[in-house]
Amino acid sequence: KQEVTQIPAALSVPEGENLVLNCSFTDSAIYNLQWFRQDPGKGLTSLLLIQSSQREQTSGRLNASLDKSSGRSTLYIAASQPGDSATYLCAVKGNDYKLSFGAGTTVTVRA
Amino acid sequence: ETGVTQTPRHLVMGMTNKKSLKCEQHLGHNAMYWYKQSAKKPLELMFVYSLEERVENNSVPSRFSPECPNSSHLFLHLHTLQPEDSALYLCASSPSRTLAETQYFGPGTRLLVL
Repeated sequence: KQEVTQIPAALSVPEGENLVLNCSFTDSAIYNLQWFRQDPGKGLTSLLLIQSSQREQTSGRLNASLDKSSGRSTLYIAASQPGDSATYLCAVKGNDYKLSFGAGTTVTVRA
Repeated sequence: ETGVTQTPRHLVMGMTNKKSLKCEQHLGHNAMYWYKQSAKKPLELMFVYSLEERVENNSVPSRFSPECPNSSHLFLHLHTLQPEDSALYLCASSPSRTLAETQYFGPGTRLLVL
């Protein structure tokens, strides 16, 4: 069974600092990996999707890397803003097409 | 707006009540999902429907009963729930169960069982 771990569970930084969120997974036989954002009381919004054959994806201030062999992904958020405050979830899609989620990292960006 | 709506957004029910959660997607997708999100725990996949046929049932207790009358609507019928069933229930849809595309999530129903 795929296990997804996110470290740290919570993170608080001053505005302008770069954010580094980590995700690890136990089974490297994956189809793809996604990073989602969840705001309080709301559903999930997809941020970046990395196929198993890719090493990274970028969108604006966000960059996600994937090292499938070591079972790791990192989400970088450059020059953080208070609007980046949210919970960030990592999800891995296995070859059975199921998504396995981590418990998330809750980020607070202080103005 | 993600194109996936859920009603009600909040629900409080007693253990002897019967209620239903509704999900509707306006994206023309063929696959729909129910997830449970408990505090500080990862999302748990409950059910998957593909082209209105249930293809996954992840050992969910029978007090949860899904229904998919057409490809745009998904229900979760609840009866004789337990306090530990209190959670955020999220619905999602995707073009296909097997493609690499992302799932689109609704805002969720916050359920409290007393």
